[in-house]
Amino acid sequence: GENVEQHPSTLSVQEGDSAVIKCTYSDSASNYFPWYKQELGKRPQLIIDIRSNVGEKKDQRIAVTLNKTAKHFSLHITETQPEDSAVYFCAARGSNFGNEKLTFGTGTRLTIIP
Amino acid sequence: NAGVTQTPKFRILKIGQSMTLQCTQDMNHNYMYWYRQDPGMGLKLIYYSVGAGITDKGEVPNGYNVSRSTTEDFPLRLELAAPSQTSVYFCASSYGARSGNTIYFGEGSWLTVV
Repeated sequence: GENVEQHPSTLSVQEGDSAVIKCTYSDSASNYFPWYKQELGKRPQLIIDIRSNVGEKKDQRIAVTLNKTAKHFSLHITETQPEDSAVYFCAARGSNFGNEKLTFGTGTRLTIIP
Repeated sequence: NAGVTQTPKFRILKIGQSMTLQCTQDMNHNYMYWYRQDPGMGLKLIYYSVGAGITDKGEVPNGYNVSRSTTEDFPLRLELAAPSQTSVYFCASSYGARSGNTIYFGEGSWLTVV
């Protein structure tokens, strides 16, 4: 089955600086890679996703890059703000019957220092 | 649309008791999932379903059962509750992997076994 590793487990950055979170996956058949943000006591919320036919996707201050050859993908948050403080999870999923499960990384606790 | 609705939101169980966590979605999604999230940890897949009448095990199925008699409902049954099942449970749903990958989560059910 799929295995997703996520680093770092905690990350503190000064407000206004950039934050980068990295994930690797094991199953080359995975073709969908979402990122979720989870605030304390809340459900995970999708913030951005990327499919394997795309190398990069950007949405305002958030971007995701994907390197299929190396089987890793990263979340980039620029101009960080206090409301970006949360736990971020990466995930990977296939589209073939039998590997539709979404496998999550272990999470990164991001703290923005005012 | 209400999205994914879980009940109850909070529950305390005694060791050995049984209960059912209810999950319903009104988005006509054919894929549904149950995850558990232990404090400070990531999400682990318990069971999932690719359509009515079809269920399959995830990473941590022991101690749980599911059924999927309709497209809308995917209840999770805990038999003989144990302290190790103290966790937050999230139900989620999505369209089929080929037609859309976004996975939507319910608000979570906080379960404590004492």
